[in-house]
Amino acid sequence: EAQVTQNPRYLITVTGKKLTVTCSQNMNHEYMSWYRQDPGLGLRQIYYSMNVEVTDKGDVPEGYKVSRKEKRNFPLILESPSPNQTSLYFCASRPLGGAQETQYFGPGTRLLVL
Amino acid sequence: AQTVTQSQPEMSVQEAETVTLSCTYDTSESDYYLFWYKQPPSRQMILVIRQEAYKQQNATENRFSVNFQKAAKSFSLKISDSQLGDAAMYFCAITTSGTYKYIFGTGTRLKVLA
Repeated sequence: EAQVTQNPRYLITVTGKKLTVTCSQNMNHEYMSWYRQDPGLGLRQIYYSMNVEVTDKGDVPEGYKVSRKEKRNFPLILESPSPNQTSLYFCASRPLGGAQETQYFGPGTRLLVL
Repeated sequence: AQTVTQSQPEMSVQEAETVTLSCTYDTSESDYYLFWYKQPPSRQMILVIRQEAYKQQNATENRFSVNFQKAAKSFSLKISDSQLGDAAMYFCAITTSGTYKYIFGTGTRLKVLA
């Protein structure tokens, strides 16, 4: 089954404790992206990647890191989480080229930073 | 810069009736794509419909159709014969060809009354 998976689905942590949220897709998509969703703000793009070792900032990259060492994986790293990073996070992917702008989303990761 | 505005935080519709969700956008690009996503209580992001800016014909998917007014930069979603399963948060989004950035609106929560 073609899908985007995220782990963990739920996470409670404390301020300053480094964490990684994994994202993996099995559709051989070149493009992957991370979003955060907050009430009243919709989804905002954090980082995106066009291919292995190619990443770029979205609209809200502060406090986050990403890496793309393999085509299928795009982990989101919070090196020193703060309470304002409490949010619902989505990973998404899509192929590049051929007017394939439609993204496929993972199930989301709910993060609470105390 | 691109922007997306959803001015209706919440709407209600009677079961079997028709409802229209509004979305306006702004972009200086000529080649762009517009999307409506549905987010049910499960939080999964589900593509409802997409529209290529270069196509004059409005997109339709079963009970869902759009009214794409390019000059007015308006992209409304019409849901016909509303069903209880249509109750969800709906997000409008835009991306321009080659930018790889996606901008989402703040969402409209749709309630369907039995």
